[in-house]
Amino acid sequence: AQSVAQPEDQVNVAEGNPLTVKCTYSVSGNPYLFWYVQYPNRGLQFLLKYITGDNLVKGSYGFEAEFNKSQTSFHLKKPSALVSDSALYFCAVSSGSGNTGKLIFGQGTTLQVKP
Amino acid sequence: EAGVAQSPRYKIIEKRQSVAFWCNPISGHATLYWYQQILGQGPKLLIQFQNNGVVDDSQLPKDRFSAERLKGVDSTLKIQPAKLEDSAVYLCASSLVGSEKLFFGSGTQLSVL
Repeated sequence: AQSVAQPEDQVNVAEGNPLTVKCTYSVSGNPYLFWYVQYPNRGLQFLLKYITGDNLVKGSYGFEAEFNKSQTSFHLKKPSALVSDSALYFCAVSSGSGNTGKLIFGQGTTLQVKP
Repeated sequence: EAGVAQSPRYKIIEKRQSVAFWCNPISGHATLYWYQQILGQGPKLLIQFQNNGVVDDSQLPKDRFSAERLKGVDSTLKIQPAKLEDSAVYLCASSLVGSEKLFFGSGTQLSVL
């Protein structure tokens, strides 16, 4: 069965510092991996995806994520955090075979960026 | 570009009552999804449509939940009768056929008392 784990309920960083939000996955076959962000009272917004190719994927708002097959991880990163990055972040996976829209989400990680 | 529209924004009902949610996807998006997001958890797919056909409803509690997309555009999700554990945010999303990028609406927050 496919699954996604986000081991941290909350990540706190100071503005200007680098941030990392962790995600590990379990899926049979080649994974399709995603990050979505949810701001208060708004729907989820797509940040980035990994399908194939370069292990470092760049996305919206300066975010990037690194795919590591041996560690089955897909951590979200940003070199310099902004207060406006504070939100709830979800990692998701699909098996990629047949139905790429059927996403399995992690439980979410709250990112708090302090000025 | 208009996003995914959902209504109502909030709904409070008593257990055993019925409730319906409405979703209008982005124009041209043939694929439509309903996800359930319980507080503290990630969204869980309930049902996926492509045009007016069901692609996946394996996690839909069919004894109480139903959904339709009769004309292949907007969709309605119904719960009858509601249980306390149905309290959640119900998210609608849409995408182009074969696209991995989903566009989500703001959701309907349901409280069952």
